[in-house]
Amino acid sequence: QKEVEQNSGPLSVPEGAIASLNCTYSDRVSQSFFWYRQYSGKSPELIMSIYSNGDKEDGRFTAQLNKASQYVSLLIRDSQPSDSATYLCAVIRAVDSNYQLIWGAGTKLIIKP
Amino acid sequence: ETGVTQSPTHLIKTRGQQVTLRCSSQSGHNTVSWYQQALGQGPQFIFQYYREEENGRGNFPPRFSGLQFPNYSSELNVNALELDDSALYLCASSLRGLGTGELFFGEGSRLTVL
Repeated sequence: QKEVEQNSGPLSVPEGAIASLNCTYSDRVSQSFFWYRQYSGKSPELIMSIYSNGDKEDGRFTAQLNKASQYVSLLIRDSQPSDSATYLCAVIRAVDSNYQLIWGAGTKLIIKP
Repeated sequence: ETGVTQSPTHLIKTRGQQVTLRCSSQSGHNTVSWYQQALGQGPQFIFQYYREEENGRGNFPPRFSGLQFPNYSSELNVNALELDDSALYLCASSLRGLGTGELFFGEGSRLTVL
């Protein structure tokens, strides 16, 4: 079992609809969770972080965290063609007194005009 | 623009050779981490440097090594290159270490090993 799992997609969503991206993780003690967006040929960029159970909203983006079920999701409202990218879920893992960022393989999102 | 620059952007090496990749972090950021991203995969954590010392390492062999300099720039060295080392190598800087997960990435160095 991978530590961080995502559906590779592609996930195709009509423009203006809600895109829902999911991620599950295996380490129960993980406390910090992140969504990065990566356009083709580019490097990842942070779009959302979430640390507590529940929802966190930032503009058109909402991150949801459920630690009991060990999943984190990202909702994108009013999807735009510019949202087409690969979305990477990342989880902090504590190793001794250091931290590592463990990544999923990403979900490719396609917004169709 | 993140203020993180990497060089070279592309390079081709042959199996057995050695390579050095460079990274200049964003101004004021004292932590640099390196990642390997194979095509279609998420980034894999190689190691992290904080104030010139390695303070975290992923599951990579010792032929992957690094340095961080007093100005917080960094190098990734890979010896005895193997075909599977072909990937995008990403450098990321952060102000408060990996604990925040808030990383600023450079555009990467794409390595091809023939």
